[in-house]
Amino acid sequence: EPEVTQTPSHQVTQMGQEVILRCVPISNHLYFYWYRQILGQKVEFLVSFYNNEISEKSEIFDDQFSVERPDGSNFTLKIRSTKLEDSAMYFCASSERLAGGLLETQYFGPGTRLLVL
Amino acid sequence: GEDVEQSLFLSVREGDSSVINCTYTDSSSTYLYWYKQEPGAGLQLLTYIFSNMDMKQDQRLTVLLNKKDKHLSLRIADTQTGDSAIYFCAESKGVSGGYNKLIFGAGTRLAVHP
Repeated sequence: EPEVTQTPSHQVTQMGQEVILRCVPISNHLYFYWYRQILGQKVEFLVSFYNNEISEKSEIFDDQFSVERPDGSNFTLKIRSTKLEDSAMYFCASSERLAGGLLETQYFGPGTRLLVL
Repeated sequence: GEDVEQSLFLSVREGDSSVINCTYTDSSSTYLYWYKQEPGAGLQLLTYIFSNMDMKQDQRLTVLLNKKDKHLSLRIADTQTGDSAIYFCAESKGVSGGYNKLIFGAGTRLAVHP
């Protein structure tokens, strides 16, 4: 069964460093998302992406964050200058359609646990 | 506003039924979802219900939707120790503007004991 994959599974970085989190969405999916979950808290929406553009972003997704689809398979989240409060589990998700039936269902990857020291 | 509420903990005996409750706010949500998260793992889609349905059954899982009260529940029949996990309710935010995002509850930690 097709699945969303993410690398690395864990990342430890120093405050102020840049990190890139990678995702490979399900191959026929066109809509991509990043969510994060700070330890013990809710899963929060960060950004959605379609047709090489951000379609929606949350207040959390400020200028230090960026997303990119550098090739036909990868979808990346870059955090330019990490802060302690960026420590969280970051989930990538993809869906076949944006809305209109079951095809809007989002499938999640296993997550990347980011620890900023 | 956007808020999905769930009770935080549920403890059941193995073999009993578990009922996890959720309330949501957006009446325009098209789909409502239940995701399962095992320790250290990602979010596994368990089941979903379309907003014009009242009930959906999928093997041991039964989803009930009361649209008037914006109340969603997940019933797990014959709960097993492997069902121990955190269960997240999520609503699909309205599609105006052509975007879709999920709003999650805080998750209900289900503990199954012998």
